[in-house]
Amino acid sequence: ETGVTQSPTHLIKTRGQQVTLRCSSQSGHNTVSWYQQALGQGPQFIFQYYREEENGRGNFPPRFSGLQFPNYSSELNVNALELDDSALYLCASSLASIFSTRAGYGYTFGSGTRLTVV
Amino acid sequence: SQQGEEDPQALSIQEGENATMNCSYKTSINNLQWYRQNSGRGLVHLILIRSNEREKHSGRLRVTLDTSKKSSSLLITASRAADTASYFCATDARAAGNKLTFGGGTRVLVKP
Repeated sequence: ETGVTQSPTHLIKTRGQQVTLRCSSQSGHNTVSWYQQALGQGPQFIFQYYREEENGRGNFPPRFSGLQFPNYSSELNVNALELDDSALYLCASSLASIFSTRAGYGYTFGSGTRLTVV
Repeated sequence: SQQGEEDPQALSIQEGENATMNCSYKTSINNLQWYRQNSGRGLVHLILIRSNEREKHSGRLRVTLDTSKKSSSLLITASRAADTASYFCATDARAAGNKLTFGGGTRVLVKP
């Protein structure tokens, strides 16, 4: 059903460790966004990439970083993990961009990576 | 704080009944989108309504948008047990850098 795949699906890490989450976006979608969703809450925007450059960032510290690659894949890296980083991390891709917003495109989400920090 | 806030937070209905949930937001938007999420999995895009539209239909879904009140509603008609999920509204605003800003969601339980 979805054109966006994320890996791994589940992950357990120890506080202080580093983690890399991966996302393969839908082909042709130049925009990829990452969201953090704590249990029982709505997704919170982490950052967005358009054609391999970050073009928007939410209220997350610098230890959250990302990369987008030309092959429509992307990564979310989190350093110095904290217990509060435990959440579902969602990747979403879209044709939307700061140049095409008035056309109105929806986002295609992956199934997410469930990260547990112990 | 979140741009969109859904109301109610939870909703329990019988199969066949209609489910209505509302979303309020704070700033001017380009469009508003509704998503469904089953059991903490990925979000599924349901419908997008642009700021110059007032109503939109997609199958059993009906969405309205009132930009003067900065609010939207999602109506699911003739609900089914499979509609049990969390529903989120998300706003796309140029002032926010075109990212999606989500509300806290409405958890809908459809009882057979």
